[in-house]
Amino acid sequence: DGGITQSPKYLFRKEGQNVTLSCEQNLNHDAMYWYRQDPGQGLRLIYYSQIVNDFQKGDIAEGYSVSREKKESFPLTVTSAQKNPTAFYLCASNQRVGEQFFGPGTRLTVL
Amino acid sequence: SQQGEEDPQALSIQEGENATMNCSYKTSINNLQWYRQNSGRGLVHLILIRSNEREKHSGRLRVTLDTSKKSSSLLITASRAADTASYFCATEEDSSYKLIFGSGTRLLVRP
Repeated sequence: DGGITQSPKYLFRKEGQNVTLSCEQNLNHDAMYWYRQDPGQGLRLIYYSQIVNDFQKGDIAEGYSVSREKKESFPLTVTSAQKNPTAFYLCASNQRVGEQFFGPGTRLTVL
Repeated sequence: SQQGEEDPQALSIQEGENATMNCSYKTSINNLQWYRQNSGRGLVHLILIRSNEREKHSGRLRVTLDTSKKSSSLLITASRAADTASYFCATEEDSSYKLIFGSGTRLLVRP
């Protein structure tokens, strides 16, 4: 059963904590992406990776970090430097161009 | 940066009616895609139209693209209550493989 999984579904963070959001895909896609969505808004690109061991900043990378050590995995760390991290985070993948396949999302709330 | 602007922001129609959503963008593109998002879920790809195409159909969906006006429209015919969702356009710029999302149209189909 191919697809993208994200975990956890809900995540709560205290002020000053780093948290890591998981994204795994078994679609054999080269490219993976992280987006942030605020209520009633569209998606904004945080980071993307076109190939293993390489990634680029998107439009709102400040306060976030990523790694791409395996083709299947693209974890996102929300650091304490991100001042307003409460949002819905979506991971996606594709074969570099065209249709993107999305995971179910992680809702992060800062307590 | 948000390239796409969608119109209207919200649309409420009766079941059986047609729903039309519009998207405008700013730069040169490889393709334009439409996605659907049910509340609190990930995005689902609906249809992709390339820059050299003018119209495309998929089931009850009809998409048009006017590159001279940098605009696209999504028509959903014979709407159903299950079509209630947010709809986003996304453009793939010809200078990169990133997708730029619009702010979305929230569609409510009343039974």
